[in-house]
Amino acid sequence: KAGVTQTPRYLIKTRGQQVTLSCSPISGHRSVSWYQQTPGQGLQFLFEYFSETQRNKGNFPGRFSGRQFSNSRSEMNVSTLELGDSALYLCASSLLGSGNTIYFGEGSWLTVV
Amino acid sequence: DQQVKQNSPSLSVQEGRISILNCDYTNSMFDYFLWYKKYPAEGPTFLISISSIKDKNEDGRFTVFLNKSAKHLSLHIVPSQPGDSAVYFCAARGSQGNLIFGKGTKLSVKP
Repeated sequence: KAGVTQTPRYLIKTRGQQVTLSCSPISGHRSVSWYQQTPGQGLQFLFEYFSETQRNKGNFPGRFSGRQFSNSRSEMNVSTLELGDSALYLCASSLLGSGNTIYFGEGSWLTVV
Repeated sequence: DQQVKQNSPSLSVQEGRISILNCDYTNSMFDYFLWYKKYPAEGPTFLISISSIKDKNEDGRFTVFLNKSAKHLSLHIVPSQPGDSAVYFCAARGSQGNLIFGKGTKLSVKP
């Protein structure tokens, strides 16, 4: 059974640009959640999508957005990038929802210069 | 305000000995707790979980203990192996339904 797949793995963007990250969940999982990991801050919850609807949202500015497609694949978008957005962005999928056991992808490393 | 705290940023243990990783939480309504392990350049991997109706859960070398009155959980690894060297995150299910993670403890197991 394939795990959670995230693309791209690494990317470099310039301040002010926007970026889109993609996530394919484990087959059969309808919940996809996104986390940001920065040094010293642990894993910070961004949002969760379940059956194409945003079910939950963390405390991030509106520049961070996401969506989920009918095949459960998800994308997150960050607009007007800032240097502080440099981080590892992790996608996780779950059968029952983001409050249960979630399975992470390998992450997308974003560097903003 | 951190709701899930891992107060030790790092821990060093000799191979074969016990590793004890600790985690404190602030909200007594949290009802489900998990531990994840993360190697560099990889995503976190689920290790073990425990429901608040239990006080102990075992899976091979890994045991999680929950002390609800102290709002404290711990992960015991016995015996510790060099391959266990990683960052360990504890997480709790928050009131909004998502998992809230601690900042992690880096475990180093020395041969």
